Amino acid sequence: GENVGLHLPTLSVQEGDNSIINCAYSNSASDYFIWYKQESGKGPQFIIDIRSNMDKRQGQRVTVLLNKTVKHLSLQIAATQPGDSAVYFCAETQSNDYKLSFGAGTTVTVRA
Amino acid sequence: SQTIHQWPATLVQPVGSPLSLECTVEGTSNPNLYWYRQAAGRGLQLLFYSVGIGQISSEVPQNLSASRPQDRQFILSSKKLLLSDSGFYLCAWSRGAVDEQFFGPGTRLTVL
Repeated sequence: GENVGLHLPTLSVQEGDNSIINCAYSNSASDYFIWYKQESGKGPQFIIDIRSNMDKRQGQRVTVLLNKTVKHLSLQIAATQPGDSAVYFCAETQSNDYKLSFGAGTTVTVRA
Repeated sequence: SQTIHQWPATLVQPVGSPLSLECTVEGTSNPNLYWYRQAAGRGLQLLFYSVGIGQISSEVPQNLSASRPQDRQFILSSKKLLLSDSGFYLCAWSRGAVDEQFFGPGTRLTVL
């Protein structure tokens, strides 16, 4: 079974706009979260991660927010580009657990 | 740098035939290794993981098996394929337990 789910299966974004992808998780013991990007026919690629002792982490054009109170995770992509079109997965795990639990994914389509 | 290889990239097999998918990792030692399956339009389902040579943990009871004959080699096998075994098989590695996982390019398996 999956401990992590996503609010929306698809997201259409205008090029240049910011994207927000949401994820809800059910395991309150989870303390490590990752966002992956998967392009068609390829394996998932790591985007950014966050541990439970943080509530925000920034990368290049991406920001991950973690709200442990409501068990919610989000990925923000700034100035969305056509190359950002992909399926985005959130994943979670807990200390000393080798297993990542993945959500179903959100398909992001960038409109030119 | 570390790289992960999977082969074959695509495979079409008849029902009842055997299966052997191979995954190798370069540039690291004693990685944790994982096999996932991804059905079309779905998230990733963990099948097996290994923390060392000869150590295999199974997550989903099924007609698949895994082996780790060498430190950086992970093999997924089946004696008799079922139609339901069709999917996208992904191998991944990580340095530790609570750590990001790096995915290979995947094998697209179609069972007819």
